[in-house]
Amino acid sequence: TQLLEQSPQFLSIQEGENLTVYCNSSSVFSSLQWYRQEPGEGPVLLVTVVTGGEVKKLKRLTFQFGDARKDSSLHITAAQPGDTGLYLCAFRGFQKLVFGTGTRLLVSP
Amino acid sequence: GAVVSQHPSWVICKSGTSVKIECRSLDFQATTMFWYRQFPKQSLMLMATSNEGSKATYEQGVEKDKFLINHASLTLSTLTVTSAHPEDSSFYICSARTSRGFQETQYFGPGTRLLVL
Repeated sequence: TQLLEQSPQFLSIQEGENLTVYCNSSSVFSSLQWYRQEPGEGPVLLVTVVTGGEVKKLKRLTFQFGDARKDSSLHITAAQPGDTGLYLCAFRGFQKLVFGTGTRLLVSP
Repeated sequence: GAVVSQHPSWVICKSGTSVKIECRSLDFQATTMFWYRQFPKQSLMLMATSNEGSKATYEQGVEKDKFLINHASLTLSTLTVTSAHPEDSSFYICSARTSRGFQETQYFGPGTRLLVL
């Protein structure tokens, strides 16, 4: 069983649209991280959220950590083709980083 | 930011041969390195955790005799896929962890695509 379930699995939208990606679990985490991975490359860290209810912004990306620290969301405003990629949430457990199931985003011009 | 490199970036081999993949931390020392495997359109799955100078810790279901990991120095870890078969075809990604002050950060390599014919 996957500890971190992401939804949707795949999202195809037009440039300029808004979208939200979810990362859910029944477990409580001290922190969660979000990564973006482009095809043929390794994942790159976008943000780490630590406090329940925390909201962090990275340009057009808004990350939120649930109040109970069991879930997180990523909202992208006015998506651009450069946002295309695999978005992964992850938590650090027992000295290792465990990834969620991933959301594949395709933004068409 | 810190850089992690992998070599080769892609490899094609015949079934039954062994393939070695190198992972290097270029500008920092990594006491711990990780190896992940990623199948098409799927997430990253941790295979093993490698600590410098000691045996790797493998995740459940990963065969340690098939995926040999060596972490001989603080900047180099290698993954050898022994007697590779077509089902081993995948994208292999390494990661290196560094501690700076109280903060631990994990950096990922660009990945190695393996195709076993």
